Amino acid sequence: GEDVEQSLFLSVREGDSSVINCTYTDSSSTYLYWYKQEPGAGLQLLTYIFSNMDMKQDQRLTVLLNKKDKHLSLRIADTQTGDSAIYFCAGAGDQGGKLIFGQGTELSVKP
Amino acid sequence: DADVTQTPRNRITKTGKRIMLECSQTKGHDRMYWYRQDPGLGLRLIYYSFDVKDINKGEISDGYSVSRQAQAKFSLSLESAIPNQTALYFCATGLAMPDTQYFGPGTRLTVL
Repeated sequence: GEDVEQSLFLSVREGDSSVINCTYTDSSSTYLYWYKQEPGAGLQLLTYIFSNMDMKQDQRLTVLLNKKDKHLSLRIADTQTGDSAIYFCAGAGDQGGKLIFGQGTELSVKP
Repeated sequence: DADVTQTPRNRITKTGKRIMLECSQTKGHDRMYWYRQDPGLGLRLIYYSFDVKDINKGEISDGYSVSRQAQAKFSLSLESAIPNQTALYFCATGLAMPDTQYFGPGTRLTVL
């Protein structure tokens, strides 16, 4: 089945770019997703990318997909303290409708 | 009003007690999910339902059961709670394609 891996922590300075990385095993995932979890809250869908795309940009967010290496990244430009949260990547499992989540990357933004 | 609500938001109970966590949604989605979150493990799927008559086990269904009372309601039960079921529980609703999911605020359950 699908396995999704992320590094657990990332610390950046306010104003810098953040890059959160994710690797996955199931190359048949049609979509790959990024979710954000703020303290004490549920997960919020940030963006997703269709598997036949290499890149998707949405305001300060850029998603890069390298299908050959099964690597997904989320770049946040001009990172703000409000971006401090846990970020999860997710892919569809071997049956449609089931998302497999990575462990989450805790992003800490220092002023 | 929130689109996906969960009750209770916090619960402390004792080993062996039966617990029900409830989820309601106003998004009109057919698909509903229950996840549990543990530190460092991400979210793991407990049960999911694609419509009122469809219930499926997820990755970690042992010790849990669910009921889909209506399109808008999906309940999770712990028949006999044990301490390692202490976790944050999330309900989600979803669409088919893309498989986007919308999460409730979570229920923090502590089993003593």
